Amino acid sequence: DQQVKQNSPSLSVQEGRISILNCDYTNSMFDYFLWYKKYPAEGPTFLISISSIKDKNEDGRFTVFLNKSAKHLSLHIVPSQPGDSAVYFCAARITGTASKLTFGTGTRLQVTL
Amino acid sequence: GAVVSQHPSRVICKSGTSVKIECRSLDFQATTMFWYRQFPKQSLMLMATSNEGSKATYEQGVEKDKFLINHASLTLSTLTVTSAHPEDSSFYICSASGDRDADNSPLHFGNGTRLTVT
Repeated sequence: DQQVKQNSPSLSVQEGRISILNCDYTNSMFDYFLWYKKYPAEGPTFLISISSIKDKNEDGRFTVFLNKSAKHLSLHIVPSQPGDSAVYFCAARITGTASKLTFGTGTRLQVTL
Repeated sequence: GAVVSQHPSRVICKSGTSVKIECRSLDFQATTMFWYRQFPKQSLMLMATSNEGSKATYEQGVEKDKFLINHASLTLSTLTVTSAHPEDSSFYICSASGDRDADNSPLHFGNGTRLTVT
């Protein structure tokens, strides 16, 4: 039962353009969402997060949008850079569960020159 | 920022042997540590949650006698894969939290351990 889904396994974007990575969840108890970036043979690196009381959070080139009614969140990267090429995981958590994260299946982003 | 160190980064062992993986929080006290497993091109699946000084809580389907977890101090947790078999070959990643509910701060992950059982 995949409670957090990333339906696009891969995405290719030209340098300088916007990258939009999507994530859907099924568990309405999730109230905190995070995006991680991962390179092969490395652990995930935290990028940005959002609480369910907000619908947008921005940090530099990264913006996360949350649509609770649709149980959908997205990560926007603009402008995209070649160094952004990696696998991106969204993750969700229920407050009070000792920081236990449920991860999505990941989207491989390729930023081309 | 918070740093989590995982060792070894890569290990190859023979079937039937046991392998120990260490996870250390270098600059904070980790009251809770998590062990994840990732199969190729798949998501990170939580295996177990360990709290310092108490028994680990395993996720459904994870054999606690096969994957022994010890969280003896606030900076160290170990995962021992006992009597390893080729199907245990995977990428194992630990993460650490400095607070039971971490006031919505993100988890910090180690760099993972690639286990290959021959």
